This record gives sequence, C-alpha cells and structure tokens, in this order.
Amino acid sequence: GQQLNQSPQSMFIQEGEDVSMNCTSSSIFNTWLWYKQDPGEGPVLLIALYKAGELTSNGRLTAQFGITRKDSFLNISASIPSDVGIYFCAGQKNSGGSNYKLTFGKGTLLTVNP
Amino acid sequence: GAVVSQHPSRVICKSGTSVKIECRSLDFQATTMFWYRQFPKQSLMLMATSNEGSKATYEQGVEKDKFLINHASLTLSTLTVTSAHPEDSSFYICSAFPMTGGYGYTFGSGTRLTVV
Repeated sequence: GQQLNQSPQSMFIQEGEDVSMNCTSSSIFNTWLWYKQDPGEGPVLLIALYKAGELTSNGRLTAQFGITRKDSFLNISASIPSDVGIYFCAGQKNSGGSNYKLTFGKGTLLTVNP
Repeated sequence: GAVVSQHPSRVICKSGTSVKIECRSLDFQATTMFWYRQFPKQSLMLMATSNEGSKATYEQGVEKDKFLINHASLTLSTLTVTSAHPEDSSFYICSAFPMTGGYGYTFGSGTRLTVV
C-alpha cells in the first residue's frame, strides 16, 4: 500500500540539540498526525494537524501541516534522552469519520546522546 | 483519555497452531478498530479494518482465512492467526476509533508473536 516519504531515516544528536523531520506525499491528506513509538510498544499520538498551514505545539514539539496538504514537519527543541524512539508521520485522506484509514511514513529513528 | 488494551503482549506458539489476540477499548466504544503488522525496523502496515457487527475489510494481499477478525462488541475486536507459521512471527498492533468521533486513533501496546 501507499506510504509517506519520511526523512531522515535516522538521526544521532547530542542532548540539547534541536531536531527536525518531515514527511511528503504525492497526494493530498486532510489530516496529518505525528506518533512516537518506543521499543515493544504501540505508537503514541504526539500532535494532530487538521488544517493546511496549521502550526501546532505540544511542549517542546512543534508540527506544521503544509499549505499544499502534501507535507508536514515535526520539530523537537532542546532534545533530552527520553526523546529516543521512532517517530512516525501518518496521513488521513478524509477528515474525521470512523472508517478512514491512516497511511504511515517509514519512521525516523532518533538517538539522543547524553 | 482513551485507552486501548491489547492482550497478550507476547506469545510463543508452535507451527500449525492458532493464536488469538484481543484488542479492547477500555473507556470508550469503538465501531471501528484497525489491525496492523510491523516487522523489525519497519513501519506499520494496515492488515484490516474491523467493523462492529459486520465483516472486516482486508487490505490487498492479506489472507482473510488466515487472519480471522471478529468485532463482536463495541469494545472488543479479536485477531486470530490460524495455522501459524514462522513467517507469521511479527509485532501486531491494534488501534481503535471512538464512536463519538474526533481524529484520535489510540493504539494498543502491541503483541509480539513468535512462531516456532
């Protein structure tokens, strides 16, 4: 099935540094979601974006829904060791509703060196 | 907040046997639940959409007779891997969408299946 193009695949950074990752698609999505997955666990929702151009923050995390509705980025500021994990973007083609599937990016593995 | 419980978290079974995985929405009702499969260092791949009271909708390439899905109530969906083989070993994750709507998909904690 379709997947979103997520980059980078992995990042190795020092504690305190800022991080940026993004997702692009050849088709339009009406909702963009960012998840974090720890080893052996299910994904946890970090930020949800509903409108093109929307910029939303959740603590040290900031995400934006691209104007074209074909891309989104996630920034993490002042990284800390517990930020380690895999970050996934996900897109939903239809707004709301219970039968609309998510399409996932391939993930960004983040490693933070103390 | 919305909580999805998935059980068991880990299971080891012999080839040829069947394994049932449960996905429960603890504090909300869900007419729709989704089942995903995830291989190591890879993304989540949707297997099927589970609809309460009706047949599941399977993604292309997913064998419906091998991966049986039952969504008998608004809080429970089950995935049964029938006649399991080593290649079925994987991490299976469910997610649930609240009846009340909204955009939040809550995921279970996953089930690590190992077929020996």
